[in-house]
Amino acid sequence: SAVISQKPSRDICQRGTSLTIQCQVDSQVTMMFWYRQQPGQSLTLIATANQGSEATYESGFVIDKFPISRPNLTFSTLTVSNMSPEDSSIYLCSVNRGGADTQYFGPGTRLTVL
Amino acid sequence: KQEVTQIPAALSVPEGENLVLNCSFTDSAIYNLQWFRQDPGKGLTSLLLIQSSQREQTSGRLNASLDKSSGRSTLYIAASQPGDSATYLCAVRRIGNQFYFGTGTSLTVIP
Repeated sequence: SAVISQKPSRDICQRGTSLTIQCQVDSQVTMMFWYRQQPGQSLTLIATANQGSEATYESGFVIDKFPISRPNLTFSTLTVSNMSPEDSSIYLCSVNRGGADTQYFGPGTRLTVL
Repeated sequence: KQEVTQIPAALSVPEGENLVLNCSFTDSAIYNLQWFRQDPGKGLTSLLLIQSSQREQTSGRLNASLDKSSGRSTLYIAASQPGDSATYLCAVRRIGNQFYFGTGTSLTVIP
């Protein structure tokens, strides 16, 4: 299994501000994934973060809005920039681990934008 | 694009009943399929993973099956308990690292 922690667990932010979410994994992984779960919805992949290279963003998500850092093999950050109420969601990081490539998730960051 | 659908969206059963959750996907070219549970306001907990070459996986009271040709998977929960109340999500992984999540089934087990 994988132990993944996220900070903060929740936050309430004002429109127009930015929030950086941290994700820490208990051991080295090649790729880390960032997901968004809007209220009442399922998960949508935002981007894949590889150490030492630019993150790969999914359709509908751009680097200016969701800049990602991946400084080493156990840590990543996702910033939600210039926030609006529509950004209110749970943000989750994820890794693959094991021979079966099981996907493991962090506990999530619940963001509310006023 | 892969689309993943889960039926029903919500299910309420009395304690002790056996139940089946359904997941369907449109593109059979998958690498694996994984079932998760999500408790309110929490992250996802992995329950079972089925590789594309496998038919089923079992863990305790849970059994997941996969029929890749028909684009379907089921999660069978035996002798349901109130602690099983949660949202259950299936996720399909394609070759590479693209995951597609279903819409989830919200399960309530009534004591």
